[in-house]
Amino acid sequence: GAGVSQTPSNKVTEKGKYVELRCDPISGHTALYWYRQSLGQGPEFLIYFQGTGAADDSGLPNDRFFAVRPEGSVSTLKIQRTERGDSAVYLCASSLTTSGGFRQETQYFGPGTRLLVL
Amino acid sequence: KQEVTQIPAALSVPEGENLVLNCSFTDSAIYNLQWFRQDPGKGLTSLLLIQSSQREQTSGRLNASLDKSSGRSTLYIAASQPGDSATYLCAVRQAGGTSYGKLTFGQGTILTVHP
Repeated sequence: GAGVSQTPSNKVTEKGKYVELRCDPISGHTALYWYRQSLGQGPEFLIYFQGTGAADDSGLPNDRFFAVRPEGSVSTLKIQRTERGDSAVYLCASSLTTSGGFRQETQYFGPGTRLLVL
Repeated sequence: KQEVTQIPAALSVPEGENLVLNCSFTDSAIYNLQWFRQDPGKGLTSLLLIQSSQREQTSGRLNASLDKSSGRSTLYIAASQPGDSATYLCAVRQAGGTSYGKLTFGQGTILTVHP
């Protein structure tokens, strides 16, 4: 079946612009996660949704970052007034749920959106 | 705050060797630990998940162990192949609290298996 998809795959923008990154999770997965990965580093957690609500947004670096998941499926990560330091790969993952063992808890990752802020 | 460290940062081995990747974490109150593989320009693929009550998990040539009290996990790869070349990431999920779904990752070990 289809995995997690993310669009666009690459995004180049200018400092100060607004960007939206989209994530389509695996159908039926209730949990959705956004991570950010800088070159040579492991992914860093940004936000986690359970259904439509943000259950944990403690990783969002500041109020320029915002994410929504209005119907409990597709999610959009929004970045206002982009800065050069926002340049990274933004990864989205989904899982069936958050308990119950390997099959239910495993997070499946999309290929990421590579964001470059000039 | 949980911190995850992976050693070594990079490893190069000849085909056929058995190898061990190490992961350590500072807060032992974890719910589970996962090992992922990441190929260049691609997302992460989950390899093994160990619950906090378990000691090890095996999948094919991969074996992951967990010593929660000492804050350590190892990933053992038997009879390595060039196709195993990738970055291997360790990630922990905390028990309880509001960080219910959050994974904290190490920086990864870059593995190269040469023919």
